[in-house]
Amino acid sequence: DARVTQTPRHKVTEMGQEVTMRCQPILGHNTVFWYRQTMMQGLELLAYFRNRAPLDDSGMPKDRFSAEMPDATLATLKIQPSEPRDSAVYFCASGLGGAVETQYFGPGTRLLVL
Amino acid sequence: GDSVTQMEGPVTLSEEAFLTINCTYTATGYPSLFWYVQYPGEGLQLLLKATKADDKGSNKGFEATYRKETTSFHLEKGSVQVSDSAVYFCALSGNQGGKLIFGQGTELSVKP
Repeated sequence: DARVTQTPRHKVTEMGQEVTMRCQPILGHNTVFWYRQTMMQGLELLAYFRNRAPLDDSGMPKDRFSAEMPDATLATLKIQPSEPRDSAVYFCASGLGGAVETQYFGPGTRLLVL
Repeated sequence: GDSVTQMEGPVTLSEEAFLTINCTYTATGYPSLFWYVQYPGEGLQLLLKATKADDKGSNKGFEATYRKETTSFHLEKGSVQVSDSAVYFCALSGNQGGKLIFGQGTELSVKP
């Protein structure tokens, strides 16, 4: 049963520290999405990639967030430096691309910045 | 820009009650419409989808019909179970390279 995997599942860190979240998309999927979920803002799209190239990162704070796909099996989201307002659940999702996009979500990384 | 509006939660129902969660959208062109479900502590899962007007998506007893004339995609289930307790998200995919626009989510709580 193919699934999107994310690591770590939970992360507690102190303000100012670097945080790296990793995502392994479903094998063969060429589109990867990063979302952030909070009680106040709901589900927000941060960035997404197709064939490893960034298509849209307009939802991401550029000064501290960065997203990359070093290869087709790994996507990373980094926050440097982290701030308490970054506390949220970060989801990765992958898809096959095309006109009708079904996205398959990972279990999320729950981040707490103290 | 494109947007999705859902009825506010939480919605609390007794087991075997009828469920409706309203969803309306604003979009240019002919979007595809989706319902995703998020169980506690998990990521979102696709529940059902419809790709053109008058299509009905269905899965696990849930249904939704794509109504272009009312720009709606309301989710219904005839008899809910405790295991249906979750947050439900309506979403659309327009001409934006596969990007999904999500509603704010509606929490459903089903009591025995």
